[in-house]
Parts: sequence; structure tokens; C-alpha cells
Amino acid sequence: AQKITQTQPGMFVQEKEAVTLDCTYDTSDPSYGLFWYKQPSSGEMIFLIYQGSYDQQNATEGRYSLNFQKARKSANLVISASQLGDSAMYFCAMRDKSGNTPLVFGKGTRLSVIA
Amino acid sequence: ETGVTQSPTHLIKTRGQQVTLRCSSQSGHNTVSWYQQALGQGPQFIFQYYREEENGRGNFPPRFSGLQFPNYSSELNVNALELDDSALYLCASSTGTGFSYEQYFGPGTRLTVT
Repeated sequence: AQKITQTQPGMFVQEKEAVTLDCTYDTSDPSYGLFWYKQPSSGEMIFLIYQGSYDQQNATEGRYSLNFQKARKSANLVISASQLGDSAMYFCAMRDKSGNTPLVFGKGTRLSVIA
Repeated sequence: ETGVTQSPTHLIKTRGQQVTLRCSSQSGHNTVSWYQQALGQGPQFIFQYYREEENGRGNFPPRFSGLQFPNYSSELNVNALELDDSALYLCASSTGTGFSYEQYFGPGTRLTVT
């Protein structure tokens, strides 16, 4: 069964600094996708970045990059040049190929950006 | 802006009542999934519909049911509401069911059961 673990309930970062949010995953399927979502207090899940299990390079999207370490089953999100608007809950999620699988989410990390 | 809308935004119901939540997704999005997010938790998968057929279900009892319509809208119905059903309900749509397909989430419906 798939599992996502986010061990940081809360993180603080100074504005304009970089921050890394940790995510480890577990699956027996060699084909899977890893996702990061941002959830502001309004509730909507905002897609940030995707990494496929066969992708050779780490994914990047603007200020977001995914530090993918397949052997360690790790998919950490790096946010560079943090902004006040980055304050939100961040969820790591995955889907694998075993049937019509949904997204499996971690418990999330609350990021607070300090001016 | 994901193009996925949900209604209503907020809802208060009494234990034992029934509720219907609605979701409208983008044209061409043939897959819709529903998730329940309790306070302080990550979303939990309820079920998924692909081309109007349920093709995946999480660990939720049969009193949670759904429908998907040809016009890319869908419903989540919950019968015999319990206090623990209080949560944010999110729908997400995509253009396919494979593991690489991005899911586009709506803003959610916050259900309170008293």
C-alpha cells in the first residue's frame, strides 16, 4: 500500500530565504507520480509540482523544485526566495499504477513565512 | 484558477440528515474524485468516477455515494449524517486516471454536522 510521511508539522522561514519541506513515501510499484500541493486557509488545493518515478531530472516550477532521491524514497519540496504569500499548508501526495488509484496524501506541513 | 467549482461553500446539517454536494469540472475532464479532509489532516479518498462509472473507492461506508453526469458535473451524497462527517469535502477532476495525470481541485465544501 502507498504511504506518504511528512514529519514536520510546522516550519518557519524568513522572507526571501529558502526552505525545504520533507516528504518520504512508500510503494511497491515501480511506476508512480509524486505531487506537492499548497492549501491556503481558503481551502483550495493548489497544484505546485510533479515528479514521475522515471524522470531523470528533478522537477522545477518557478520558485519550486523537487529534490527527488529515489533510492531513499524521498521527495522534498524546496521553495526559494520565500514570500509572505507562501504561508499555507503544504501536502505531499502520490499515485501509483496499481489500478485506478487516487492521490494518497501526507498529513501536511504548515509553513509560516516571517517578515 | 482550476476551473473546478463546488457548491455550496458551507453547509450545516443535523445528525441523521442527508446531504448532496455538487462539483462542476472543466470540459474534457472525464475523471472526478472526491476527498474528505478532516480538520488538521490530509485529504482522504472517498471514490472516483470515470466516464460516469465508479471505478475506485476508499474506506468509506455505502452511505457515501456519488454520481457523475455527461456534462462534467458530479455529486456526492451522504445519508444518515454522523458528527464525524464534519469536514471539508474536495472534488478533483482530471483528463485521465493514470498516475501522472494532474488532478485539479475545487475550493471545497465545508460541512458541519451538529
